[in-house]
Amino acid sequence: ETGVTQSPTHLIKTRGQQVTLRCSSQSGHNTVSWYQQALGQGPQFIFQYYREEENGRGNFPPRFSGLQFPNYSSELNVNALELDDSALYLCASSHGQGRSYNEQFFGPGTRLTVL
Amino acid sequence: KQEVTQIPAALSVPEGENLVLNCSFTDSAIYNLQWFRQDPGKGLTSLLLIQSSQREQTSGRLNASLDKSSGRSTLYIAASQPGDSATYLCAVSNSGYALNFGKGTSLLVTP
Repeated sequence: ETGVTQSPTHLIKTRGQQVTLRCSSQSGHNTVSWYQQALGQGPQFIFQYYREEENGRGNFPPRFSGLQFPNYSSELNVNALELDDSALYLCASSHGQGRSYNEQFFGPGTRLTVL
Repeated sequence: KQEVTQIPAALSVPEGENLVLNCSFTDSAIYNLQWFRQDPGKGLTSLLLIQSSQREQTSGRLNASLDKSSGRSTLYIAASQPGDSATYLCAVSNSGYALNFGKGTSLLVTP
């Protein structure tokens, strides 16, 4: 069984640029969630995708957008990067009807630095 | 809005000690509560999941309890080892899709 994988591991961008982060869900999982974790803080929920549709969204602006593909992998896109977007971005997958009733399994994260 | 608080923020214990990490939440209408471990700069490893209808879960040296009515959960670690050093995060699910996390407890177990 393959766990959740994310790419790239690290990324450095400058303010105003756009970035795409990728996530492959664990085998058999159909739901993917994205979280942002600033240094010294707990992860903050960005949004969740279930069967290629956005299923819920946290308090993040529209410049944070995503996609889920038929194989349940997912992308997080961030436009017009700001310095405060520097964080560890975590992807989590689970199996369920777009709910977090079931255990969430997290990937290793992508460390984004915005200069 | 769900608020999750973890106490203490940091803890240092000698190897072999039993310890308790605390998590409290303000909205008791939760679906489940999950404890995670995070090593520096790494992703989250799921330790234990407690459904709202359960009172506790055990895995090896770890035991987590849940008291929904009082909005509290504890993670008990028996016979701590240096390899247990990490940040432990508590997360609750209210909406059914988002996890609400505390800021974590940073644990250091010294040999």
